[in-house]
Amino acid sequence: AQSVTQLGSHVSVSEGALVLLRCNYSSSVPPYLFWYVQYPNQGLQLLLKYTSAATLVKGINGFEAEFKKSETSFHLTKPSAHMSDAAEYFCAVSRAGGTSYGKLTFGQGTILTVHP
Amino acid sequence: EAQVTQNPRYLITVTGKKLTVTCSQNMNHEYMSWYRQDPGLGLRQIYYSMNVEVTDKGDVPEGYKVSRKEKRNFPLILESPSPNQTSLYFCASRRADRQLFFGEGSRLTVL
Repeated sequence: AQSVTQLGSHVSVSEGALVLLRCNYSSSVPPYLFWYVQYPNQGLQLLLKYTSAATLVKGINGFEAEFKKSETSFHLTKPSAHMSDAAEYFCAVSRAGGTSYGKLTFGQGTILTVHP
Repeated sequence: EAQVTQNPRYLITVTGKKLTVTCSQNMNHEYMSWYRQDPGLGLRQIYYSMNVEVTDKGDVPEGYKVSRKEKRNFPLILESPSPNQTSLYFCASRRADRQLFFGEGSRLTVL
């Protein structure tokens, strides 16, 4: 079984401040981990993914995430928030390898608000 | 342009009136799936299809049907919609590296 918990349904930061969105996962096998972003009235877009290569993953728009197996975490960060980063962010986990079809399980989502 | 196209984008209907939400992808992906998005619950999988021969239930299949007669299309069918199916629906197709490509969503209201 696999699950994802995103800590904080809403996060608010000032423009230029650090963005930190928290994600913890549970998986009985090595996971693939993803962050998706959803802008208003749009579908989800992939920000970045971890697939057992480097533990620090860089994505689009200046975001990055670090896979920490000991903490079962995959937190998303960005050094300096822009107004355009305001969106809802979803962490997701998928089983790596095996015969599974690779079902993706999503977290509950975190809405990021950026203040001027 | 690689994309997943859903229609309609917005729909208001009444309880019991059958409806179909279409989904089409032009990336030749084998795997397609449907999700519903509800506040505080994230995305939950309704149905998925590994290929044109294999379709199976996701986490919340009750009240829904799907069809996969050809690779590019994966319609979602609500035979007798109920108010608890009011939601935002997303179709997605999946690349070999498990990256999902989402449609823009279909907002359904059942009165």
